[in-house]
Amino acid sequence: NAGVMQNPRHLVRRRGQEARLRCSPMKGHSHVYWYRQLPEEGLKFMVYLQKENIIDESGMPKERFSAEFPKEGPSILRIQQVVRGDSAAYFCASSPPQAHSGNTIYFGEGSWLTVV
Amino acid sequence: AQSVAQPEDQVNVAEGNPLTVKCTYSVSGNPYLFWYVQYPNRGLQFLLKYITGDNLVKGSYGFEAEFNKSQTSFHLKKPSALVSDSALYFCAVRAQYTGGFKTIFGAGTRLFVKA
Repeated sequence: NAGVMQNPRHLVRRRGQEARLRCSPMKGHSHVYWYRQLPEEGLKFMVYLQKENIIDESGMPKERFSAEFPKEGPSILRIQQVVRGDSAAYFCASSPPQAHSGNTIYFGEGSWLTVV
Repeated sequence: AQSVAQPEDQVNVAEGNPLTVKCTYSVSGNPYLFWYVQYPNRGLQFLLKYITGDNLVKGSYGFEAEFNKSQTSFHLKKPSALVSDSALYFCAVRAQYTGGFKTIFGAGTRLFVKA
């Protein structure tokens, strides 16, 4: 029973390039969350998605960042025109439908983005 | 505003001694509280959660947490620390808002267990 799968695990981009991070939720999970962790800092919520629907993107920077969770395929976090400050670990988490408010969210191993 | 606080950036304990990692929360309605552990260069692993019922919750790797409603706390504990427990620990609260539910994390507490 595979957990939350993220790829790539490590990604190096030059300033101005685009970064695409992928996340496949656990089997049976229909909700995906993206968090960012800067070096030596805690987790910052970015966005919460269901299939074909963004529920909450209050933590997303206004520019250059976007996320999607299409009907088929993984969730994608896209960062355009990356800058050095985007270097961080990006974690995806998933949970079952929200019917139970005490649902645990489970994390992937993260994607480490380095902008050079 | 709904929030969770971990007042200690770092906790140091000797192996074999009991450990406590503190967490307090602020949430409207019933709190749903979680602890996660993060080892270097890894994702967060779920340890335990409180939803309802017994205030003492037991979780993975011998950890437990005590829910205290009057003090709005959910401290993580372990009777006897191991060097391998050294990691970053996150407390989280699941908060309800107009869009559904959101899991909010504390800033994390780094635990060092010395042999």
